[in-house]
Amino acid sequence: QVQLVESGGGVVQPGRSLRLSCAASRFTFNSYGMHWVRQAPGKGLEWVAVIWYDGTQKYYADSVKGRFTISRDNSKNMLYLQMDSLRAEDTALYYCVRPRDTNSHYYYGMDVWGQGTTVTVYS
Amino acid sequence: DIQMTQSPSSLSASVGDRVTITCRASQSISGYLNWYQQEPGKAPRLLIYTASSLQSGVPSRFSGSGSGTDFTLTISSLQPEDSGTYYCQQSHSVPLTFGGGTNVRIK
Repeated sequence: QVQLVESGGGVVQPGRSLRLSCAASRFTFNSYGMHWVRQAPGKGLEWVAVIWYDGTQKYYADSVKGRFTISRDNSKNMLYLQMDSLRAEDTALYYCVRPRDTNSHYYYGMDVWGQGTTVTVYS
Repeated sequence: DIQMTQSPSSLSASVGDRVTITCRASQSISGYLNWYQQEPGKAPRLLIYTASSLQSGVPSRFSGSGSGTDFTLTISSLQPEDSGTYYCQQSHSVPLTFGGGTNVRIK
């Protein structure tokens, strides 16, 4: 069964950094663009970033642009999110997400979601 | 950025009721609109993609319609397992954006 497993979440102070990882299995990882989506406690879904299947293009939400970096290692079937200059408003459950279609990075929805890893930023 | 507005924010309905949730985009997104269901404590699940295509494994009581700026998710006969929060999401352009969610409760 297709699977995404996130790790790396934790409790950090404002201004510090954290790196999230997502291990993908049972699908051709290097054929899919990949996303991070987050959900603050009791709130709705917020898209964070996308990376093209080959890593050549990356796009970010305005709220994280310049602070977060999405990357991938196709040889290891791994997706990453480097989070710098963390703020209290970055506190959320972070999901690693796969789009439905290999030929589009996001047009046809996102059909595989991990269970998420929790990031808490507070002093 | 494209803003997505869902209504209502919550609803309560009985088993067997027909339920409709609407989503409006701040500009035309053609048919690039997706719907997700999220049960408490679980990851979201894709129900409908590109406005009206039913995702594999999703019951046929779920349907979607619309284009341009106005979209609708319909549950033809509400079932107990349909309780949860429903989100629309535009996939026309980045940054991708979600609606605020509709909490569906069973009476």
